[in-house]
Amino acid sequence: DIQMTQSPSSLSASVGDRVTITCRASRSVRNYLNWYQQKPGKAPKLLIYAASSLQSGVPSRFSGSGSGTDFTLTISSLQPEDFATYYCQQSYSTPLFTFGPGTKVDIK
Amino acid sequence: QVQLVESGGGVVQPGTSLRLSCAASGFTFRTYSIHWVRQAPGKGLEWVAVISYDGGSKYYADSVKGRFTISRDNSKKTLYLQMNSLRAEDTAVYYCAREERSSSIYYFDYWGLGTLVTVSS
Repeated sequence: DIQMTQSPSSLSASVGDRVTITCRASRSVRNYLNWYQQKPGKAPKLLIYAASSLQSGVPSRFSGSGSGTDFTLTISSLQPEDFATYYCQQSYSTPLFTFGPGTKVDIK
Repeated sequence: QVQLVESGGGVVQPGTSLRLSCAASGFTFRTYSIHWVRQAPGKGLEWVAVISYDGGSKYYADSVKGRFTISRDNSKKTLYLQMNSLRAEDTAVYYCAREERSSSIYYFDYWGLGTLVTVSS
């Protein structure tokens, strides 16, 4: 099975900050890597698929990069509505999709 | 618009059974694979199971294999999760999610709001 890790597990940031979250796979997943945002009490929302493709309707301040085992999600200028938990997910070992443990972004 | 609405959650005792439903609308249900994903209180997301568009293929996480059964009724546009021999560690919000594909890369583009299952004596 492919294991996913994320770092940091949590971070505190201010509005306007540039935020970077890292996701690492235990073996190569090529670019089969997706990112989701989840707010408390809500369902996850797809942000990025295929490592770097922005889902329709998602603000352009979100971007993804990476391939193989190392990936990043970047928020170029953090907005109040971006405080949430972010999860990566590999879809290489379909149909057994694996999520990372999550990174919580809160207000400094 | 695409909607997925889960139902059937509740409080049950260990060892008992429960069936969850996920009603779909706003898209051609019979052409999509659908997944169940769960989230224990205060924890992360855990993939549970998937069923292919025609119900011909089903896969499960090791944690539920042999106890949970995923199924679908395309005429009713509804997905099901039959959960047997429930354990305390099955306590979670259960989400159904639609699988989309782009150039062979799969992702979950729509999710339901979730239904809470609590297993407790």
